[in-house]
Amino acid sequence: GAVVSQHPSRVICKSGTSVKIECRSLDFQATTMFWYRQFPKKSLMLMATSNEGSKATYEQGVEKDKFLINHASLTLSTLTVTSAHPEDSSFYICSVAGGPNEQFFGPGTRLTVL
Amino acid sequence: AQSVTQPDIHITVSEGASLELRCNYSYGATPYLFWYVQSPGQGLQLLLKYFSGDTLVQGIKGFEAEFKRSQSSFNLRKPSVHWSDAAEYFCAVTYNTNAGKSTFGDGTTLTVKP
Repeated sequence: GAVVSQHPSRVICKSGTSVKIECRSLDFQATTMFWYRQFPKKSLMLMATSNEGSKATYEQGVEKDKFLINHASLTLSTLTVTSAHPEDSSFYICSVAGGPNEQFFGPGTRLTVL
Repeated sequence: AQSVTQPDIHITVSEGASLELRCNYSYGATPYLFWYVQSPGQGLQLLLKYFSGDTLVQGIKGFEAEFKRSQSSFNLRKPSVHWSDAAEYFCAVTYNTNAGKSTFGDGTTLTVKP
């Protein structure tokens, strides 16, 4: 399967600032990537589908102006949390769409907004 | 809409005992089924998957799962649990009709007693 990395693994920021999280597919051309959010002791919630060279598709209830996704190359997708607030604190996980209906997950990024 | 149910929020077993984690999915189409394991603060690791063919699938770390279409189930089993198996386990389903998106169950927390 694909090897997926995320950077940073952990970030702490002040309320009102923006934070960018990178998701890289190290050995696989990722036409499609997914971004998930996971609250403590909870399951993964799909936020958006990121397609290389086009706009991301957001799930219902996810603010596209707050969670900006850019997928400019086949190896990199970024998620920018704009004007972050404490309620945006969470574990963000990306995945790469691989073989038939399969995904390869990154290690996640822990965001803490003070 | 597709959904995945993991009825057991928390399971405790003794080391060396057998384990079964339950997973039920709902939808009419042919599912692609996955089990993932997540250690605290980590990303998801794929344990095993079912796409077609033999309904009993073998995975890593000694895990297996059986797809039962009549029961819409895909239960995960391990004959002898090790202390290192303590983690969060997620069942997920993907369909051809849903652009590769996965729906996750709420997870089952496994505690292993010495």
